[in-house]
Amino acid sequence: DTAVSQTPKYLVTQMGNDKSIKCEQNLGHDTMYWYKQDSKKFLKIMFSYNNKELIINETVPNRFSPKSPDKAHLNLHINSLELGDSAVYFCASSQGGVHYGYTFGSGTRLTVV
Amino acid sequence: GNSVTQMEGPVTLSEEAFLTINCTYTATGYPSLFWYVQYPGEGLQLLLKATKADDKGSNKGFEATYRKETTSFHLEKGSVQVSDSAVYFCALSDTGNQFYFGTGTSLTVIP
Repeated sequence: DTAVSQTPKYLVTQMGNDKSIKCEQNLGHDTMYWYKQDSKKFLKIMFSYNNKELIINETVPNRFSPKSPDKAHLNLHINSLELGDSAVYFCASSQGGVHYGYTFGSGTRLTVV
Repeated sequence: GNSVTQMEGPVTLSEEAFLTINCTYTATGYPSLFWYVQYPGEGLQLLLKATKADDKGSNKGFEATYRKETTSFHLEKGSVQVSDSAVYFCALSDTGNQFYFGTGTSLTVIP
């Protein structure tokens, strides 16, 4: 009954590969997000989707692409992985509105070698 | 624009010490303010929140008061435990439904 679940938890891959991280939420939230956390714990928003529409797209490389087949899922696809992509990626969801917080997944640690 | 500034860590305290982690914000409009906690190897969890000026959020012995006059939302706990060791993030949510996180403050509590 995990609220926001993402898979895999760990991902080790070689440079140049293409990989995907999946995220699902069963909270009925309207908006889902992807965040990147670097080694210093700094959080950077990458994308958010509201009702299948992209509403935030920070300056991330176009090698990263979000895919949302429905309101409960927001997957992250990464092409041509680079060493600098190594980080922890968090999926999150929210009901929307300024008073509601985010519910985060447990993270995917991506290591590019 | 909107932003959150929190004290840099790491912070190391002995068990039962008093904790303060400072957080100040810049925002237009009337944001909501949050503290999130990230335990080692886990995702962020909502610790407490306050949605309007003078509100006090509290949870698990932690408290923070939304001070509009000083644009602050400092996190406090009267007596920390080893299990409170984690990274703490201050955040605000603006009327545009976007979140702004601080850089995180690492807390280590030693027995």
